[in-house]
Amino acid sequence: EAGVAQSPRYKIIEKRQSVAFWCNPISGHATLYWYQQILGQGPKLLIQFQNNGVVDDSQLPKDRFSAERLKGVDSTLKIQPAKLEDSAVYLCASSLSSGVYNEQFFGPGTRLTVL
Amino acid sequence: AQSVTQLDSQVPVFEEAPVELRCNYSSSVSVYLFWYVQYPNQGLQLLLKYLSGSTLVKGINGFEAEFNKSQTSFHLRKPSVHISDTAEYFCAVSNVQGAQKLVFGQGTRLTINP
Repeated sequence: EAGVAQSPRYKIIEKRQSVAFWCNPISGHATLYWYQQILGQGPKLLIQFQNNGVVDDSQLPKDRFSAERLKGVDSTLKIQPAKLEDSAVYLCASSLSSGVYNEQFFGPGTRLTVL
Repeated sequence: AQSVTQLDSQVPVFEEAPVELRCNYSSSVSVYLFWYVQYPNQGLQLLLKYLSGSTLVKGINGFEAEFNKSQTSFHLRKPSVHISDTAEYFCAVSNVQGAQKLVFGQGTRLTINP
């Protein structure tokens, strides 16, 4: 089966610009996650969707980050305006349902560089 | 809240040598434990997980880990490594009850030298 798809793979922007990342999860997976992985650190959960509803966005900087999963399938993560500290790899993952008994499958990530 | 400490940021070993990647966690409640591997330019892949039962867990690619509750550790081992094992390895923890959110350690870069 096809894995989790993400685009673009790389993005370079200047601070204060806007950027959007796209994720298409594995077909049939109800749960979708966005993680931020800063260089030298482990991934940090930004937001978790169950179908098209938000389950957890406690670590999402809501003043500049937003995410949506309107039809319960693919998802978009947006940063507006970007700051230097947003430079990171943004990983999307999906699972059949929520809970750790359902393995999360990760996409290759989008590497964002903010200059 | 849970936290994970991976004691080594980098581990260089020679091919066919044994390796141990160390992971300690902190939590006031019962936890589940995981090891993920990240090959260059790829997403994370689950190596193994401890949810319940035997404390010795076997995973893919010949890796195994042992859950030690008294020492709050979940070290990853492989008796003989290959060049293809070169990657970043992440230990993660999740609480058993409530929102089962993965909390990752900072990662250990395993480099295999010929």
